[in-house]
Amino acid sequence: GQNIDQPTEMTATEGAIVQINCTYQTSGFNGLFWYQQHAGEAPTFLSYNVLDGLEEKGRFSSFLSRSKGYSYLLLKELQMKDSASYLCAVMDSNYQLIWGAGTKLIIKP
Amino acid sequence: GAVVSQHPSRVICKSGTSVKIECRSLDFQATTMFWYRQFPKKSLMLMATSNEGSKATYEQGVEKDKFLINHASLTLSTLTVTSAHPEDSSFYICSAATGGDSYEQYFGPGTRLTVT
Repeated sequence: GQNIDQPTEMTATEGAIVQINCTYQTSGFNGLFWYQQHAGEAPTFLSYNVLDGLEEKGRFSSFLSRSKGYSYLLLKELQMKDSASYLCAVMDSNYQLIWGAGTKLIIKP
Repeated sequence: GAVVSQHPSRVICKSGTSVKIECRSLDFQATTMFWYRQFPKKSLMLMATSNEGSKATYEQGVEKDKFLINHASLTLSTLTVTSAHPEDSSFYICSAATGGDSYEQYFGPGTRLTVT
């Protein structure tokens, strides 16, 4: 079956760095997405990785290893507004999105 | 738990025809369902929010007469794209929420619509 695993909840301190991991097993692979979702709002796109390696975009970076079925989202210089759910999603060979359950990130002062 | 399905997963239709997409919550009752449209490598764009038994609330810029939404039961919402045009080709994703104090949304796998 197809499966996306990510931690349910993480806690970090303002100003610190946090890494949210995502492992996947899917039938085929056409890219991996990370989304940020604040409570009551629609998810917002953070990153898209289809090739191995690290993609850096400001305070956020996303890494992909296709051979390991693994990705992580790295958030630096954490701010209180980064408290949100972070969703990992993989597009499979049929171009269907397989969603992770999301990681709730709590930032403490 | 908390599985949401969509049907069909992909559909190709001719310009001018209508297409219906179903969104079902399989193991929970969804008081609220959301319909999104995803543009390539972009954020999901919320199209409308539907509550069971009442009219959907459409986001600004979304034509309610073109994108008909029906939330007839606590487990089923449908999106009908009427008089489809090639520019309506997109990836449509629904999500379902149990409502109450929970804002958690469970997303469906999406439906890829291609209008020729």
